[in-house]
Amino acid sequence: NAGVTQTPKFQVLKTGQSMTLQCAQDMNHEYMSWYRQDPGMGLRLIHYSVGAGITDQGEVPNGYNVSRSTTEDFPLRLLSAAPSQTSVYFCASSYRNPNYGYTFGSGTRLTVV
Amino acid sequence: AQSVTQLDSHVSVSEGTPVLLRCNYSSSYSPSLFWYVQHPNKGLQLLLKYTSAATLVKGINGFEAEFKKSETSFHLTKPSAHMSDAAEYFCVALDTGRRALTFGSGTRLQVQP
Repeated sequence: NAGVTQTPKFQVLKTGQSMTLQCAQDMNHEYMSWYRQDPGMGLRLIHYSVGAGITDQGEVPNGYNVSRSTTEDFPLRLLSAAPSQTSVYFCASSYRNPNYGYTFGSGTRLTVV
Repeated sequence: AQSVTQLDSHVSVSEGTPVLLRCNYSSSYSPSLFWYVQHPNKGLQLLLKYTSAATLVKGINGFEAEFKKSETSFHLTKPSAHMSDAAEYFCVALDTGRRALTFGSGTRLQVQP
């Protein structure tokens, strides 16, 4: 049981480049979400999904796109990377009843130069 | 809208002494609350959760937290700190509407030998 798998673990991008951060879970969780972690700010919600085919914006969605074509996968796309997007990105998932708690991936550390 | 305030950004204790990490929440209703721990360069691990059952919640590794509605608090405690407890701790509230999490800014716990 792998849980939530994020790839890559580390990435360096040049300003203006695009890339996709991958997130996959094998727990049949309905809910998935993306957060970014910046020093002294906790984690902030970027986008979330309550099921396949359904996504919505979180607190800091600008510059990011998501899609949810399957229950298992929830990729995060950076359209045109900016230095302000340098951060650690976490993917999380949970059952329909989120009171069970979310399971987090191990994170992707992204640097935009 | 809900918010979570962690009252201390940094707490230092000696090994074997009690730990108290403070958290206040702001919500128009009784939220679901969680504590997560993040060890250096690792993902987030669920310590414990409050979901409107017992107000005193026991978690892993000897941690517990008490939900006090009158004080809008959810402080995390442990009777005796261990060196392995050194990490960053996040108090988190669940936004049931968006099925997403609102994080406090984190408290870094340092344990001195």
